Amino acid sequence: KQEVTQIPAALSVPEGENLVLNCSFTDSAIYNLQWFRQDPGKGLTSLLLIQSSQREQTSGRLNASLDKSSGRSTLYIAASQPGDSATYLCAVRPGNYGQNFVFGPGTRLSVLP
Amino acid sequence: GAGVSQSPSNKVTEKGKDVELRCDPISGHTALYWYRQSLGQGLEFLIYFQGNSAPDKSGLPSDRFSAERTGGSVSTLTIQRTQQEDSAVYLCASSSIDRGVTEAFFGQGTRLTVV
Repeated sequence: KQEVTQIPAALSVPEGENLVLNCSFTDSAIYNLQWFRQDPGKGLTSLLLIQSSQREQTSGRLNASLDKSSGRSTLYIAASQPGDSATYLCAVRPGNYGQNFVFGPGTRLSVLP
Repeated sequence: GAGVSQSPSNKVTEKGKDVELRCDPISGHTALYWYRQSLGQGLEFLIYFQGNSAPDKSGLPSDRFSAERTGGSVSTLTIQRTQQEDSAVYLCASSSIDRGVTEAFFGQGTRLTVV
């Protein structure tokens, strides 16, 4: 059974810092991994999608990497801003496309002005 | 529409009543998912529809929960005889394969409160 964990559970940093959020999964046979952002009381916004054959994806100040063999992904946020404050979730899709996503518990990020 | 649409956005119901939650996926998306997020908790998988295949109902917590997807598009999640522990945000997502890429998109959720 696939299990996903995220470290740290919460993080508070001053504005401008670069930071790394970690995601680990127990079964390396994944189809893809997706990072989401969730603002309080809102739905999930897709940030980055990494296919199993890829090593990293970049979008603006965000960079996500994937090391499938070790069961790890990191989300790097450069030059953090107060608007980045949210909960960040990673989710893996198992190797068979016909299966649902397994989510981690999330990292709650606070960027202080 | 451009994104996944869920209705209502908020629902308050009395314990014991039935409720229906609606999800309109992105047009052309073949997969549709329902998740539940209780206060301060992670996302709990409920049910998954993929094309014309039999749905994966393995996440439904009890037989009071059911879902259908009509015409391969709109989905309705029904909770019968609601209980206070059913209070949560119910999230719907859809995805499709585009050149081998399957990215999921979520709606804004329905916040259900059972009083």
